[in-house]
Amino acid sequence: EDQVTQSPEALRLQEGESSSLNCSYTVSGLRGLFWYRQDPGKGPEFLFTLYSAGEEKEKERLKATLTKKESFLHITAPKPEDSATYLCAPMDSNYQLIWGAGTKLIIKP
Amino acid sequence: EAQVTQNPRYLITVTGKKLTVTCSQNMNHEYMSWYRQDPGLGLRQIYYSMNVEVTDKGDVPEGYKVSRKEKRNFPLILESPSPNQTSLYFCASSSRARTEAFFGQGTRLTVV
Repeated sequence: EDQVTQSPEALRLQEGESSSLNCSYTVSGLRGLFWYRQDPGKGPEFLFTLYSAGEEKEKERLKATLTKKESFLHITAPKPEDSATYLCAPMDSNYQLIWGAGTKLIIKP
Repeated sequence: EAQVTQNPRYLITVTGKKLTVTCSQNMNHEYMSWYRQDPGLGLRQIYYSMNVEVTDKGDVPEGYKVSRKEKRNFPLILESPSPNQTSLYFCASSSRARTEAFFGQGTRLTVV
């Protein structure tokens, strides 16, 4: 059965303190893995798609990486405006997204 | 501006009173879907549509209906809402290539 687990559930960091969020997945026929950012009360906003193991993508202070079993979202020197819930969603062989429950990231000034 | 528009944003209703949540996209996307989001759970897909007149059940379709008569619109219908359908609902659209999904602002539904 396809499944995805994100950890930790919540992460509190000081401004400038780098860290990583984890997305572990078991998905048959992976078509890609998506990362989204969601602010409270708003719809998810697309960040990255990774298609194959070893691929990396960067956007400002965020870098996403992919292995055959996990994806990491690295955040370097975060700012308070990076506070949000980050969602991971592998896409299966039927092009359906399997959504994780998310990691709530809080950056304190 | 590319966007997915849902209405209403907030809705409080009573058990059994039929309601419709509208969703419209201006990107000419083939694929549209509805999700519900509950605390501690990931987004769960209710229904999806791969094109006009083509719809299919997602993971949690019970109690919901959809239609896709036009490419841009994908309304979600609750014929007889119940309190367990109280949730935050999102509509999303993407192109046939499925490279990324665009989400609406969300509809917070409370059924009392």
